[in-house]
Amino acid sequence: GAVVSQHPSRVICKSGTSVKIECRSLDFQATTMFWYRQFPKQSLMLMATSNEGSKATYEQGVEKDKFLINHASLTLSTLTVTSAHPEDSSFYICSATRQGFAEAFFGQGTRLTVV
Amino acid sequence: AQTVTQSQPEMSVQEAETVTLSCTYDTSESDYYLFWYKQPPSRQMILVIRQEAYKQQNATENRFSVNFQKAAKSFSLKISDSQLGDAAMYFCAYSPSGNTPLVFGKGTRLSVIA
Repeated sequence: GAVVSQHPSRVICKSGTSVKIECRSLDFQATTMFWYRQFPKQSLMLMATSNEGSKATYEQGVEKDKFLINHASLTLSTLTVTSAHPEDSSFYICSATRQGFAEAFFGQGTRLTVV
Repeated sequence: AQTVTQSQPEMSVQEAETVTLSCTYDTSESDYYLFWYKQPPSRQMILVIRQEAYKQQNATENRFSVNFQKAAKSFSLKISDSQLGDAAMYFCAYSPSGNTPLVFGKGTRLSVIA
């Protein structure tokens, strides 16, 4: 199979602090990972594309200094929400592509609540 | 830019009946992939079915099948013998290749009535 594990599944943090979300491909090497944000009852909105060993490509309107993405290995990408504010509260989902497969494999998602 | 449109925000179906979810898309590419993903209350994205544009034959996965009309840029999902576990949000998605991000429609919330 192709398993993508995202951690943590839920996190609550205080305003002004930073929180890191990990996305791991457990049984394959993922050269490309994607980060999405999903508001309640809405579709997935692409935030950035993460390639191993290079800088992430951010979508228009996404603050790269607030949402730091690091893809240091072929199995791990991290999203750090810096100086979090209540408006950053959302559901964040990662996905990874695997060579030879057209579909994307998704992590379980992370529900971030900033209080 | 590629776009995906799901015109049915909500649908409902009686258990054991059949329901069809609609999806249209816009692209200038000739080769691409189309997907239906299911998102249950757990919010885990689950692949339901996949269609390669170069294949004329409609994809089928057990109770799930698609009606792929390339010229009309239409990609509907048919769920036969609906089950309570089919209740979820369904997203139609497009990708020009396996290494690019998916373009999602806004989703259709499916309710299954016992």
